[in-house]
Amino acid sequence: SAVISQKPSRDICQRGTSLTIQCQVDSQVTMMFWYRQQPGQSLTLIATANQGSEATYESGFVIDKFPISRPNLTFSTLTVSNMSPEDSSIYLCSAPDIANYGYTFGSGTRLTVV
Amino acid sequence: GQQLNQSPQSMFIQEGEDVSMNCTSSSIFNTWLWYKQDPGEGPVLLIALYKAGELTSNGRLTAQFGITRKDSFLNISASIPSDVGIYFCAGPSGSARQLTFGSGTQLTVLP
Repeated sequence: SAVISQKPSRDICQRGTSLTIQCQVDSQVTMMFWYRQQPGQSLTLIATANQGSEATYESGFVIDKFPISRPNLTFSTLTVSNMSPEDSSIYLCSAPDIANYGYTFGSGTRLTVV
Repeated sequence: GQQLNQSPQSMFIQEGEDVSMNCTSSSIFNTWLWYKQDPGEGPVLLIALYKAGELTSNGRLTAQFGITRKDSFLNISASIPSDVGIYFCAGPSGSARQLTFGSGTQLTVLP
């Protein structure tokens, strides 16, 4: 199955700053997905990232706050912009696993905004 | 959007006991997935279900896809300490087949 390397694994950031999270997949994938997992909660989809086109955002998430890049079929970044303490969450990327119709996840980025 | 209702929210069991958790949906899913998330990690796929009524096992784990395709259960037999974690059901939907997740079941195994 696909392997996703995500970094950083954790960070503590000052409010008002931005953090860019990177995900590298060991195989080419058409779609990549970005999720947010707030403390003690389930995963919520932020956006779907297609290579060569703008990301599709879910309700409640906007491009200005969470800009996404997808420069090729193995890589994507998510930026959390102008951070506030409410952005403190785990952010995860995911990609389809062709082998079993499941989805593989990165290990997550634990973000704390102070 | 589609929602998955997962229960129970948390479970405390003795080592060696069996565990059962389930998910229901108001919408039909064509694939049903069960994930486990350990602290500090992303979710890891445990079992994937593709057909209504399908019963699939993976070691001590057994999952079934409901005949209506609106529900699924996951059983863990003879629990061990490393079973501790959060278990999520999930199903793909939408044009990009993005995953919708259940609310999760936090499992604690007591020695």
